[in-house]
Amino acid sequence: GQQLNQSPQSMFIQEGEDVSMNCTSSSIFNTWLWYKQEPGEGPVLLIALYKAGELTSNGRLTAQFGITRKDSFLNISASIPSDVGIYFCAGQSQSGNTPLVFGKGTRLSVIA
Amino acid sequence: ETGVTQSPTHLIKTRGQQVTLRCSSQSGHNTVSWYQQALGQGPQFIFQYYREEENGRGNFPPRFSGLQFPNYSSELNVNALELDDSALYLCASSFLGELQGYTFGSGTRLTVV
Repeated sequence: GQQLNQSPQSMFIQEGEDVSMNCTSSSIFNTWLWYKQEPGEGPVLLIALYKAGELTSNGRLTAQFGITRKDSFLNISASIPSDVGIYFCAGQSQSGNTPLVFGKGTRLSVIA
Repeated sequence: ETGVTQSPTHLIKTRGQQVTLRCSSQSGHNTVSWYQQALGQGPQFIFQYYREEENGRGNFPPRFSGLQFPNYSSELNVNALELDDSALYLCASSFLGELQGYTFGSGTRLTVV
């Protein structure tokens, strides 16, 4: 099935560092979402983006909806150990009820 | 307000067997979607149910089927299990059209041997 191109695949960073990850698609999406998944749990929504160019923050997290509507990025500032997990981008091609298309995830490890 | 509950949490089945996974949707949600997440991959859409009818389907064979009940809970059935069906199966409930309320359960880990 279709998946988004998400990079990097994994990251090892020191506590306090900033993190950046991105997601690209060959097709246009109307909605971009960023999720975090921890072991034994389902994905939890972090940020939702609905307009091209939109920049949205949620605490130390900031995400942007690319102008071309084919990409998005997520930044985490001043990382802490509880940021560890797998971060997924997801896109929705139309408004309303169409399914989400996910990236393969970025596995983040934070070294204290 | 209760979240999305899935059962069982883990399951081991033999190739060729059939399996039923269950999902209780979050209170106030009327739509249930099922996703398959293979190891090291992102979730892949299987199908969605709204008002007890299938309302969209991903690229999965007919041996993957589902039900939604009047209380909006749902089942995922997989017949003739194959080794490649081993994955985490995630259920997500929502109110039709509202993406912010798309809540995932913790999943059922299915292993086919």
